[in-house]
Amino acid sequence: DADVTQTPRNRITKTGKRIMLECSQTKGHDRMYWYRQDPGLGLRLIYYSFDVKDINKGEISDGYSVSRQAQAKFSLSLESAIPNQTALYFCATSDSGSRGRLEQYFGPGTRLTVT
Amino acid sequence: AQSVTQLDSQVPVFEEAPVELRCNYSSSVSVYLFWYVQYPNQGLQLLLKYLSGSTLVKGINGFEAEFNKSQTSFHLRKPSVHISDTAEYFCAVSVVGGTASKLTFGTGTRLQVTL
Repeated sequence: DADVTQTPRNRITKTGKRIMLECSQTKGHDRMYWYRQDPGLGLRLIYYSFDVKDINKGEISDGYSVSRQAQAKFSLSLESAIPNQTALYFCATSDSGSRGRLEQYFGPGTRLTVT
Repeated sequence: AQSVTQLDSQVPVFEEAPVELRCNYSSSVSVYLFWYVQYPNQGLQLLLKYLSGSTLVKGINGFEAEFNKSQTSFHLRKPSVHISDTAEYFCAVSVVGGTASKLTFGTGTRLQVTL
């Protein structure tokens, strides 16, 4: 089984709808991240969480919110989806150990299309 | 703030030929450097990382990279590529210190290996 899972893998939704993307991990890591990937722009950080009670905005958090329900679960919500939020979304985890925190482990991605 | 530049968006190469993917970074503080690979329809996985010590870093699948502080570069090389190396490659940096696990990615280089 994959260490970092994301659901759904693909989603098509309409403008204005609320949508939640979910991420679960079995690696026992305390740090989790949400990125979006757009062609030609690479990956950009949306939110990150260093533990259950610590959530921080990344470089492009507008229009998004997150919830860290447990150490293993980190959800990303789009309160009112808009077409320019069409992208590939990745969840990642890392360990807070002195060296381990430097490597991130990525989920398979969720392809979101907003029409 | 730090930034990463990958000047080549696409690099076509024949199988068994050598390849170099270029990465330059900008930062006012010390950084850690990473190369991640994304195979089609998959998440990212770590190829190699530079934390400290020897400037020549060896990674998985025969890849290596050299950290050049004076030129602020971290170019990725492989002496002989295989068809299976076709993928997108991302260079990333993080700052040395408390938020070292926050990564800033470049825009990616698509390596296309053909027969």
